[in-house]
Amino acid sequence: RKEVEQDPGPFNVPEGATVAFNCTYSNSASQSFFWYRQDCRKEPKLLMSVYSSGNEDGRFTAQLNRASQYISLLIRDSKLSDSATYLCVVLRNSGYSTLTFGKGTMLLVSP
Amino acid sequence: EPEVTQTPSHQVTQMGQEVILRCVPISNHLYFYWYRQILGQKVEFLVSFYNNEISEKSEIFDDQFSVERPDGSNFTLKIRSTKLEDSAMYFCASSADLGNTIYFGEGSWLTVV
Repeated sequence: RKEVEQDPGPFNVPEGATVAFNCTYSNSASQSFFWYRQDCRKEPKLLMSVYSSGNEDGRFTAQLNRASQYISLLIRDSKLSDSATYLCVVLRNSGYSTLTFGKGTMLLVSP
Repeated sequence: EPEVTQTPSHQVTQMGQEVILRCVPISNHLYFYWYRQILGQKVEFLVSFYNNEISEKSEIFDDQFSVERPDGSNFTLKIRSTKLEDSAMYFCASSADLGNTIYFGEGSWLTVV
């Protein structure tokens, strides 16, 4: 089983749509979880951390279910500028800040 | 906003040649990393570096790879004898402490021909 698995995508949505990304991770000892955004041929950039209680940042809502080892990201009222690849990222419980990335789900928002 | 800077942005090299990729981490950060991303693949961890030594490395980081911080500011990744499969985007990253946000540089795109 892959360490971090995401929907393969791509997701094609119209502007204003709500879109949800799903992610599962295999290592139950994983301690921290993130969503990164990556534009084509650019570096990953932190979008938001994911907390057990769920957290929201504007149009973005992240949820974590430790029992199911499942992470989600919801984008409401999607904008053209949201078009990117969304990376589910897990911090392993290795004592060091080693990130394990999912392959990413591409989002294309069209006018 | 402080940023991680990398040079070169793009390098083409012949198979078997040595390559050095350079990075300047954010100035007050203590933890440094190299990741790579083969085109169309996921971002993969290579190595982490703290207190002037490797703290963790992945299976990818074999004997042909090395890292060093020669002058207290630059953090370099050396690939001793490049192979075609080393062609990838190499990202340098840094963080202030364990558990803090990891910031990535814009990457160095390496093409081995």
